[in-house]
Amino acid sequence: AQTVTQSQPEMSVQEAETVTLSCTYDTSESDYYLFWYKQPPSRQMILVIRQEAYKQQNATENRFSVNFQKAAKSFSLKISDSQLGDAAMYFCALTEGLNRDDKIIFGKGTRLHILP
Amino acid sequence: DAGVTQSPTHLIKTRGQQVTLRCSPKSGHDTVSWYQQALGQGPQFIFQYYEEEERQRGNFPDRFSGHQFPNYSSELNVNALLLGDSALYLCASSSWTGPSNQPQHFGDGTRLSIL
Repeated sequence: AQTVTQSQPEMSVQEAETVTLSCTYDTSESDYYLFWYKQPPSRQMILVIRQEAYKQQNATENRFSVNFQKAAKSFSLKISDSQLGDAAMYFCALTEGLNRDDKIIFGKGTRLHILP
Repeated sequence: DAGVTQSPTHLIKTRGQQVTLRCSPKSGHDTVSWYQQALGQGPQFIFQYYEEEERQRGNFPDRFSGHQFPNYSSELNVNALLLGDSALYLCASSSWTGPSNQPQHFGDGTRLSIL
């Protein structure tokens, strides 16, 4: 069965510094997508970044980038120049295959605190 | 352009009661998925609807049922409520004919508390 594991329940980082959130996953599929979602106290789940497994190049979105290691089944998120607005729960997630009805499998999340 | 809207935002029920949660997908989306997020946990997939049919279901009992209407909106029904059903229920929408790597768009959720 597919699983997503986030081993860091909480992390803290000084404002303007860089932080890396870890994620490992398990799947038997060769085609899949990986995501990082952010959930602030407002509760809405917001997509931060996504990575297609067939792409070797790591995805980047402004201050957010990933380190995708397919063989190791590792997908970490790096946040550069951390801002107070980055404080939230961050969820690593996996969608297997390329079918329309593929469900998203979420990890348990990492709560990120930004220290002013 | 309205995003995914869910109602109500918060609901309090007692054990054994029944509840209905509602979701309107983002404009242009025709597929709705429901997730349950217990406190301190990641969301868990309940089921997905497209063309008014349940397309895929997660590991949830039959007490959880759903419906999709011709305008693509959806309802989640839970019967015989248990204390363990207390959670944030998230609705997500997407386009069935959109690119396969499209992200699902989430609503703000309904917080269900069972007393």
